[in-house]
Amino acid sequence: DVVMTQSPLSLPVTLGQPASISCRSSQRLVYSDGNTYLTWFQQRPGQSPRRLIYEVSNRDSGVPDRFSGSGSGTDFTLKISRVEAEDVGVYYCMQGTHWPRTFGQGTKVEIK
Amino acid sequence: EVQLVESGGGLVQPGGSLRLSCAASGFTFTRYWMTWVRQAPGKGLEWVASINVDGSEKYYVDSVKGRFTISRDNAKNSLHLQMNSLRAEDSAVYYCLVGAYGPDYWGQGTLVTVSS
Repeated sequence: DVVMTQSPLSLPVTLGQPASISCRSSQRLVYSDGNTYLTWFQQRPGQSPRRLIYEVSNRDSGVPDRFSGSGSGTDFTLKISRVEAEDVGVYYCMQGTHWPRTFGQGTKVEIK
Repeated sequence: EVQLVESGGGLVQPGGSLRLSCAASGFTFTRYWMTWVRQAPGKGLEWVASINVDGSEKYYVDSVKGRFTISRDNAKNSLHLQMNSLRAEDSAVYYCLVGAYGPDYWGQGTLVTVSS
């Protein structure tokens, strides 16, 4: 199985400051169709997860442009340019290239 | 608007069975893979199973193989998860998702508790 390793697991951030979450996969995530199925989800307290970023760097409709995704191969990053109070929650990466699908452990973002 | 409404969760004894359902609307159900993901209380997300558009391909996490069966009814726009031989470690909120490569919509989830 592909192991997804996120770091850090806890991320205290000052409002207005940037934040960065790393996600590393144990295998390359390029699929046979040429796409890289690396997705980022946000789960706010008490809510279902929602997708933020798909195929490494494509932001979903309605997602603020302070969120960005990057990376390739086995090394991926989610960045928040300026953290706002509504960004508090847990962030997960997920690979959709190999079976079984696997998630990272989650990174908890909180305000200092 | 995409809507996914899960149902069928509840309290069940170890070794028992439950059948979860997900009623889908707001999109062309027959065009999309569908997925179940679960989240144990206070824990992270775990992918459980996915099914392709016509039900001919099914994939499962190892821990549920032989016990869980994913299925879909394209005539009724519904997704199901038959769960047998339930264990305490199956206790979780089960979410229904649209897609399997980079799932984009999630339901609100249904809670399954396996306990005597």
